[in-house]
Amino acid sequence: EVQLVESGGGLVQPGGSLRLSCAASGFTFSSYWMSWVRQAPGKGLEWVANIKQDGSEKYYVDSVKGRFTISRDNAKNSLYLQMNSLRAEDTAVYYCARDVSINDFWSGYYMYYFDYWGQGTLVTVSS
Amino acid sequence: SSELTQDPAVSVALGQTVRITCQGDSLRSYYASWYQQKPGQAPVLVIYGKNNRPSGIPDRFSGSSSGNTASLTITGAQAEDEADYYCNSRDSSVVVFGGGTKLTVL
Repeated sequence: EVQLVESGGGLVQPGGSLRLSCAASGFTFSSYWMSWVRQAPGKGLEWVANIKQDGSEKYYVDSVKGRFTISRDNAKNSLYLQMNSLRAEDTAVYYCARDVSINDFWSGYYMYYFDYWGQGTLVTVSS
Repeated sequence: SSELTQDPAVSVALGQTVRITCQGDSLRSYYASWYQQKPGQAPVLVIYGKNNRPSGIPDRFSGSSSGNTASLTITGAQAEDEADYYCNSRDSSVVVFGGGTKLTVL
């Protein structure tokens, strides 16, 4: 059974730092891209960052570039999000999710989706 | 543009059919994926690819696509289908979600 379990959330002051972790099990972690997705209270889903299987490629939403760093440890089946210079607008539930990207050659379309999600960890940025 | 646009709210009578739409330029190259989210819960994938359902998703959920518009159709909506629904795709290296549609089952 695929499981993703986030931890590390909490209350932090503006300008502070926090490191989120996601423990993966039930699948070959090193074979998948992984993402962090967040959801501010009462708002929609927002993709934050993702990372390639070997960590060689990383992408971020513009609003967190230069402040957040995604990383992974395949030996520990773990995904991380280092968040620095936190702002009130970073307050959200942070989910880790498994990425799937497939080129459907027959149709000429690509498929991209998140097939498994963790339960999320709440980050509150407030003084 | 890498945005995806959804109607904020849709309602459907119990047992009737409802379509939730998602528009965006990225949908000309990427199939939309669709997620159901109930209050206090993590999102759940309900449709991916051309029209694929993960194991455990009822067959009343289906997906379709035309041009820059993707649709999620629920045929015979049930009370338990009341939830927020989000579409998702990718535009080059950027991943995007629609703003979400709140589905009310009357």
